[in-house]
Amino acid sequence: DAGVIQSPRHEVTEMGQEVTLRCKPISGHNSLFWYRQTMMRGLELLIYFNNNVPIDDSGMPEDRFSAKMPNASFSTLKIQPSEPRDSAVYFCASARLAKNIQYFGAGTRLSVL
Amino acid sequence: EDKVVQSPLSLVVHEGDTVTLNCSYEVTNFRSLLWYKQEKKAPTFLFMLTSSGIEKKSGRLSSILDKKELFSILNITATQTGDSAVYLCAVEARGGNNRKLIWGLGTSLAVNP
Repeated sequence: DAGVIQSPRHEVTEMGQEVTLRCKPISGHNSLFWYRQTMMRGLELLIYFNNNVPIDDSGMPEDRFSAKMPNASFSTLKIQPSEPRDSAVYFCASARLAKNIQYFGAGTRLSVL
Repeated sequence: EDKVVQSPLSLVVHEGDTVTLNCSYEVTNFRSLLWYKQEKKAPTFLFMLTSSGIEKKSGRLSSILDKKELFSILNITATQTGDSAVYLCAVEARGGNNRKLIWGLGTSLAVNP
């Protein structure tokens, strides 16, 4: 069974540009999580969904960040406009509702110049 | 405020040594504690602990939870260079739709030949 699939793996963009990160969760998983990881702050939860519904977006840094989950097999995280301080690795993870063992994708390394 | 603290922050050992990594937590309505290993890419799941005093074991890795003293340890015996990674501890709290894991900053382990 395929794991969590994220794309792109690397993204280099210029300040002010829009960035869209994509995630396909493991089939059958009902919860999906977006994280950001930096050396200084570690893993930070940005937002998570249960059954495609956003439950908690308190970790989203500001209005420049938005996330959607239009169906059970796809989610996006968008940053518009991007800023250099958004440079980080962004992970998507999924889990079953019954047991919160989260399985992570390989991540997207974002560099905003 | 809920928090998870890991110690030490980093550790350097020689192959064959035994290491103990620590994770202490303060969480309202504890549900479970999870250990993950992160090499260069995504965190990968190691253990989930929910009951106090019951050891989980997988090969040379083992972990135990003490719910009275609010901590967990991860032991690695006969370390190998392939054990070099960041080890992350996360705690889940009970409550409604809550699926958030509270993450520690990790222990960076380097195993030298």
